[in-house]
Amino acid sequence: KAGVTQTPRYLIKTRGQQVTLSCSPISGHRSVSWYQQTPGQGLQFLFEYFSETQRNKGNFPGRFSGRQFSNSRSEMNVSTLELGDSALYLCASRLTWSVSTEAFFGQGTRLTVV
Amino acid sequence: DAKTTQPNSMESNEEEPVHLPCNHSTISGTDYIHWYRQLPSQGPEYVIHGLTSNVNNRMASLAIAEDRKSSTLILHRATLRDAAVYYCILRVSGSARQLTFGSGTQLTVLP
Repeated sequence: KAGVTQTPRYLIKTRGQQVTLSCSPISGHRSVSWYQQTPGQGLQFLFEYFSETQRNKGNFPGRFSGRQFSNSRSEMNVSTLELGDSALYLCASRLTWSVSTEAFFGQGTRLTVV
Repeated sequence: DAKTTQPNSMESNEEEPVHLPCNHSTISGTDYIHWYRQLPSQGPEYVIHGLTSNVNNRMASLAIAEDRKSSTLILHRATLRDAAVYYCILRVSGSARQLTFGSGTQLTVLP
């Protein structure tokens, strides 16, 4: 079956712009999480959606937002981009909300802010 | 949050077993132990998880100490493709269910 699909794979934006990243989970998965990965901070949790509702949010400023659609696809948006937002943004989907459920990650979107 | 401690790096020879340790002394009774790995230029990949008993799957085995304060991921025959960063993560029951990644163990497999 198809894995988690993230688009675009690479993106270059200018400081002050905004960006929208997309994630299509594995078919049937209802939970989508977003993570930011940087060399300095490692993998950090941004937020998780389940059944179109944000269930949990990490410690990121309000410039980072997301949403989930009825087909479980998710988007995350970053407004007023800063140089420090340059990172690999990863999306993960899970079948259920249970903590024993494994997460499947996409290959990520590499965002570069110049 | 419950924390995990892993060595920064380990080396192994190809086709030999690898034992990757993880300490989680503050684990609570309902926390699951998950292992993920991240190959270069890829997103993390699920490896295995367990609660109390040892677990085996096609990728690896997970040995959990009797007091659950530590665990060991076992790769039975390392291949070059197993070179990756391995993350040991505690999945906590309750409202905060995200994966909290530490710095992981960078595994180098030598030919």
